Amino acid sequence: NAGVTQTPKFQVLKTGQSMTLQCAQDMNHNSMYWYRQDPGMGLRLIYYSASEGTTDKGEVPNGYNVSRLNKREFSLRLESAAPSQTSVYFCASSIQTGIYEQYFGPGTRLTVT
Amino acid sequence: LAKTTQPISMDSYEGQEVNITCSHNNIATNDYITWYQQFPSQGPRFIIQGYKTKVTNEVASLFIPADRKSSTLSLPRVSLSDTAVYYCLVVSRGDSSYKLIFGSGTRLLVRP
Repeated sequence: NAGVTQTPKFQVLKTGQSMTLQCAQDMNHNSMYWYRQDPGMGLRLIYYSASEGTTDKGEVPNGYNVSRLNKREFSLRLESAAPSQTSVYFCASSIQTGIYEQYFGPGTRLTVT
Repeated sequence: LAKTTQPISMDSYEGQEVNITCSHNNIATNDYITWYQQFPSQGPRFIIQGYKTKVTNEVASLFIPADRKSSTLSLPRVSLSDTAVYYCLVVSRGDSSYKLIFGSGTRLLVRP
């Protein structure tokens, strides 16, 4: 039982490049989330998916797209990376959205030069 | 929309009780408060959650006063391994969506 896994662990992009961050969970959770964490700051919600087939914007969605591929997988895409998107990205999942305990992945450290 | 405020850092010694407060002045009636712990280079880990009054589990207690404008995470008898960043999270449910607002975190240093 791996919990929440994220790939890659590290990535360096040049401005304007695109990439997709992958997230998968094996806990049969309905809800999944993408956060970003900048140095010295808390986590900010980018997008979440309450259930398979649905996605909703969070606090900072601009510059990102998401896909809930199936119940297990939730991907985050940067179409044209910018230096302001340099951050650590965390994926999380929970049984349902909202008040339920979230289980976080180990994070992806992204640098955009 | 609830905005959360936490102290940037706190120091303590092993064996002491530590209380970390989060202010959330605009909290709505249906909002819940959750606390997470984060170690360096790891994702956050759930500690405790509550709505009002007091909640206790095997690792912490959470105190929420009647006006619910703040909450206090209490860690009894801390050890060196409790050195971490602690975040409060306010979960708000709207008509058809949720808002999840994390505080900026309190860095707790436990000294021997």
